[in-house]
Amino acid sequence: NAGVTQTPKFQVLKTGQSMTLQCAQDMNHEYMSWYRQDPGMGLRLIHYSVGAGITDQGEVPNGYNVSRSTTEDFPLRLLSAAPSQTSVYFCASSSAWEQYFGPGTRLTVT
Amino acid sequence: DQQVKQNSPSLSVQEGRISILNCDYTNSMFDYFLWYKKYPAEGPTFLISISSIKDKNEDGRFTVFLNKSAKHLSLHIVPSQPGDSAVYFCAANSGGSNYKLTFGKGTLLTVNP
Repeated sequence: NAGVTQTPKFQVLKTGQSMTLQCAQDMNHEYMSWYRQDPGMGLRLIHYSVGAGITDQGEVPNGYNVSRSTTEDFPLRLLSAAPSQTSVYFCASSSAWEQYFGPGTRLTVT
Repeated sequence: DQQVKQNSPSLSVQEGRISILNCDYTNSMFDYFLWYKKYPAEGPTFLISISSIKDKNEDGRFTVFLNKSAKHLSLHIVPSQPGDSAVYFCAANSGGSNYKLTFGKGTLLTVNP
């Protein structure tokens, strides 16, 4: 049972490039979410999904797109990366209040 | 506007003593509260939670206290161990089925041997 997996672990992008951060869970959880963690800022919610085909914005959605075509996968897309998107990104899933987090993706945009 | 506040960025305690981490919130609609623990280079892991209908929840060495009138909760760790050294995040939810959490900025706990 892998839990929540995220790929890649590390990524360096140039300004303007696009990429997709992958997130998958094998616990059959309906709820999934993406957070970013910046120094001194805690965890801030980017987007979340309450089930396949349903997504909504969180606190800091600008510059990010998501889709949820299956229960297992919840990819996060950066269409045109900016230095302000340099951060550590965490994906989480849950079926109740306790959320399970992946190990994170450290993204640097130069 | 920060709805969940952890005003102490860091806390240092001696092994065996009590660690008390504090959290304040401003949104009166919050009705479920959680604490997460995070080690460097890992994702946060769930530690303990409390519903607004309770004022205390205990799990082994960890106890969470909720004071709704003061909009304040605290996490007590007794006795503290060096392995407890981590960043602790307080989180809150305003109900509903979306399980959307609002996190505080975190407190770095260091337990010295």
